[in-house]
Order: sequence, then C-alpha cells, then structure tokens
Amino acid sequence: DVKVTQSSRYLVKRTGEKVFLECVQDMDHENMFWYRQDPGLGLRLIYFSYDVKMKEKGDIPEGYSVSREKKERFSLILESASTNQTSMYLCASSLSLREGHNEQFFGPGTRLTVL
Amino acid sequence: TQLLEQSPQFLSIQEGENLTVYCNSSSVFSSLQWYRQEPGEGPVLLVTVVTGGEVKKLKRLTFQFGDARKDSSLHITAAQPGDTGLYLCAGAYSGTYKYIFGTGTRLKVLA
Repeated sequence: DVKVTQSSRYLVKRTGEKVFLECVQDMDHENMFWYRQDPGLGLRLIYFSYDVKMKEKGDIPEGYSVSREKKERFSLILESASTNQTSMYLCASSLSLREGHNEQFFGPGTRLTVL
Repeated sequence: TQLLEQSPQFLSIQEGENLTVYCNSSSVFSSLQWYRQEPGEGPVLLVTVVTGGEVKKLKRLTFQFGDARKDSSLHITAAQPGDTGLYLCAGAYSGTYKYIFGTGTRLKVLA
C-alpha cells in the first residue's frame, strides 16, 4: 500500500520560530510537492521537487524554503514563522509528470498554528 | 494564480438524492482530476479525464470533461453518507508540473 507520511498531525509554534515539516514517501517517486490548504482558497503550491536536491518555486514560496537530500524525504522549512502561516500543510508525491502517471498521493496533513 | 471555481461551495442533502458539482475555469487544461478528501486525511484521487467530452463512471459517480477542456462536472447518483467529504478538482497544464486546484465543494449526506 502506497504511503506518504508527515511528521506531525498538529503543531503549535510561536511567531519567529524556525519550523520544520517533514514528509516521507515509500513509493520511490521522483516528484514531491508541498501545498497549503486554506478555506475557500483550495490547495496552493508552495514548492515542488523533481529530483534529489532539485526544487522549483510554486505559487506562494515567500517565507518558506525546502530541502530534498534523499529521494524519499522532502522537508518544508518556515525560517521565521508568522501568524499568516497558520494553515493545513499537505505533502504529496507522484511517479512522474506524464499523463496517466501523474496521480498525486497525499499525506494526512499537518495543521500548523502560529501564535 | 488561476483558480478553478467550484460550485456549490457547500451542499447538504438526504441519502438517496442525486447531486452535481461543477468545476469551471477560463483556462484550457490537458487533463483534469477529481479528488475526495475526508476529515483529517489528505485528498485521494478519484479519476483523471484527459479528452474533451470524456465521460468516466466510478460506481455511482459520473465525471465529465467539457468539450473545450475548461470545465468538468461530477454527478453522484443516490448519494450515501459515505460520500460525505470535500471534493476537489485539479487541472494540469501540458508539460508542466503545476496542478491548479479548485476551491472545493464540501458535501454532507445525511442518513
């Protein structure tokens, strides 16, 4: 059974803290994604990685960075957390970008609250 | 950022009723996906449509891709409480990694 796991389901941090969100997939997928999900806004792409050490900015990268040192692991970093980064964060992976193989498998999400 | 507009935003119906959810955009997509997300979980893919006018069926769910590949609909026949969840459409542009997600339709089916 394919699996994407995220390190925490719930996280509470203070403004200015450095926050690490970890994501691991066991499917040997090339591509990994970080999204945030907010009511009425759908899922918005923060960063995308298509290979180890390779990354592309998504639609809302400001305030975030990412790290992919190993194929199975993709980390999202909030350098200095702010209250407007309170959100649900979803990690996803896909085998490829080719049609028919681009299904995204999502983790359960991390609900982050920044006080 | 181009969003896909979904309607209705919320829907509460009785078990056994039929419903249709719409996903609209001004952009043309190479493919469109529908996901269902249950509380506390990530979205799970239901179907991918790639050809304009394509219709796909998944048990009581019928998915249609618009002829111009700008819109899609999801029809549920005889809804069941197990259909409750957030339904998301996502459009993919050819040759890119970007998936544009819809705003979501939250469905509640009452027993």
